[in-house]
Amino acid sequence: GQNIDQPTEMTATEGAIVQINCTYQTSGFNGLFWYQQHAGEAPTFLSYNVLDGLEEKGRFSSFLSRSKGYSYLLLKELQMKDSASYLCAVIDSNYQLIWGAGTKLIIKP
Amino acid sequence: DAMVIQNPRYQVTQFGKPVTLSCSQTLNHNVMYWYQQKSSQAPKLLFHYYDKDFNNEADTPDNFQSRRPNTSFCFLDIRSPGLGDTAMYLCATSRDRGQGNEKLFFGSGTQLSVL
Repeated sequence: GQNIDQPTEMTATEGAIVQINCTYQTSGFNGLFWYQQHAGEAPTFLSYNVLDGLEEKGRFSSFLSRSKGYSYLLLKELQMKDSASYLCAVIDSNYQLIWGAGTKLIIKP
Repeated sequence: DAMVIQNPRYQVTQFGKPVTLSCSQTLNHNVMYWYQQKSSQAPKLLFHYYDKDFNNEADTPDNFQSRRPNTSFCFLDIRSPGLGDTAMYLCATSRDRGQGNEKLFFGSGTQLSVL
């Protein structure tokens, strides 16, 4: 079966750095997305990785290792508005999007 | 602004009473999707349209139907809602499909409560 694992919940402090991990076992790989979802709202696109390495976009960075089936989302200089769920999603060999259940990130002052 | 719009934002219905959720897009995207998302769970794809071509997921209950009368609009019909259908329903679009980097654009969602 296809599976994406993320921690259920994480807590971090305002101004700090947090890393949210995602591991996947899918039938093939055609890319990995990270989406942010605030409570009661729709997901919004954060990043897309298809090649190994780190993609930096402002305070957010996303890393991919295809050989390890592993990605992480790095959030720097945390702000209260970053409190949200972060969803990892993988595109498999059939171009189906496989979603993780998301990591709820709680930011404390 | 180009966007994906869902109405209503909140919908309450009674057990067994049909309900229709609507979605419109101004992005002129070929693909429209309907997802069901329950609390703290991953979004679950119900079906999608590639232009007029309807694609149903194998495990989507027959109770759920969809219509896409034109490029801009797509509807989700729940014929006889059960208590287990209480969830957030997300409409999304993508320019195309079958390519790795096709990101999804989501509407704001409709939170459906079945009482």
